[in-house]
Amino acid sequence: AQKVTQAQTEISVVEKEDVTLDCVYETRDTTYYLFWYKQPPSGELVFLIRRNSFDEQNEISGRYSWNFQKSTSSFNFTITASQVVDSAVYFCALGKGGATNKLIFGTGTLLAVQP
Amino acid sequence: DGGITQSPKYLFRKEGQNVTLSCEQNLNHDAMYWYRQDPGQGLRLIYYSQIVNDFQKGDIAEGYSVSREKKESFPLTVTSAQKNPTAFYLCASSIWQGGKNIQYFGAGTRLSVL
Repeated sequence: AQKVTQAQTEISVVEKEDVTLDCVYETRDTTYYLFWYKQPPSGELVFLIRRNSFDEQNEISGRYSWNFQKSTSSFNFTITASQVVDSAVYFCALGKGGATNKLIFGTGTLLAVQP
Repeated sequence: DGGITQSPKYLFRKEGQNVTLSCEQNLNHDAMYWYRQDPGQGLRLIYYSQIVNDFQKGDIAEGYSVSREKKESFPLTVTSAQKNPTAFYLCASSIWQGGKNIQYFGAGTRLSVL
């Protein structure tokens, strides 16, 4: 069975602090895809990143970085120098890919960045 | 602008009433999805559709129905059989292109029971 665990329910940081959001997944598939989405207070989910199981290279996009480690089945997300606008719920998701990419979502981590 | 439009933003249902949530996309995406989000929980898949006139049940389809008569539209009906319909409903669409399949989401509909 596929499963995504985001053990951190809520995290509160002060602006400019670095913060890491954890994501652990379970799957028996050899080919799979991992995603991070951001859900601001408006409610719409915003796509952040997609990573396939064959690419363990870490990725950096501005203040965002992702660390994918197959050995520990983790796909962690770090925000450097956090800002108030980063306050949102962040979801990690797992999919098999293909024409219909059904996703299994974690329960989300609420990040509150205080000014 | 291209995107996914969900309406209404807020919806209230009376006991025993069926209500329909609208989802329209102009991204020319083949696949569309409906998710339900409850407080403190992740998104759970209700129904999905890969092509017009075809759809499959997700993990929590009981009490819901859908149709896919047009590529752009995937309405969700919450029937009276759904005993706990209060939730945030999100519609998504995706296209399999260049080896990638990413779901993009609408702004959601918040459904409450009167």
